[in-house]
Amino acid sequence: KAGVTQTPRYLIKTRGQQVTLSCSPISGHRSVSWYQQTPGQGLQFLFEYFSETQRNKGNFPGRFSGRQFSNSRSEMNVSTLELGDSALYLCASSLVGIADTQYFGPGTRLTVL
Amino acid sequence: AQTVTQSQPEMSVQEAETVTLSCTYDTSESDYYLFWYKQPPSRQMILVIRQEAYKQQNATENRFSVNFQKAAKSFSLKISDSQLGDAAMYFCAYRYGMDSNYQLIWGAGTKLIIKP
Repeated sequence: KAGVTQTPRYLIKTRGQQVTLSCSPISGHRSVSWYQQTPGQGLQFLFEYFSETQRNKGNFPGRFSGRQFSNSRSEMNVSTLELGDSALYLCASSLVGIADTQYFGPGTRLTVL
Repeated sequence: AQTVTQSQPEMSVQEAETVTLSCTYDTSESDYYLFWYKQPPSRQMILVIRQEAYKQQNATENRFSVNFQKAAKSFSLKISDSQLGDAAMYFCAYRYGMDSNYQLIWGAGTKLIIKP
């Protein structure tokens, strides 16, 4: 089976812009979770989607949003980018959710200038 | 607030020896999940081991085992017969839930160095 893929792998944006990141889960996985990883804050949970519905949510502002399509592919959107949004964004897929074994993608490295 | 603490920013061990990484967490829940994930340099995060809090038995996966002390809220990872490929950042994580909203809370990580 193909692993979790994330596109693009690298992205450079300027403050105030918006960005959309994409995640394709392992075939058959219905849960997709997103995480932000920074040197200062470490790993933080953003949200989880299951069967096209946001099921769980972390403590991030409304500028961070996501969605999931019927084929389980997920997108994450960040609007009005701030310098502090520079991070590695990881997505993970699993069969049933975050208590299950999650399989991570390679991440998207976002740099905000 | 729920927290996960990894008190060792960095650990080193001689190849073939045993090392223990520590993790403590704060919770008022009685049923939860704990995880150890490994993130090798420039490679993808992978699950090492998973523990369900209601299970008394410590989880094991080949050379990896945990010492789960529920009362002490401690969840340490023991790696036996360390190999060069074990070099990575190791993260402890806890699945926290309130009002049916679940999220993973992560520790800051421990960098494991394997000396040949």
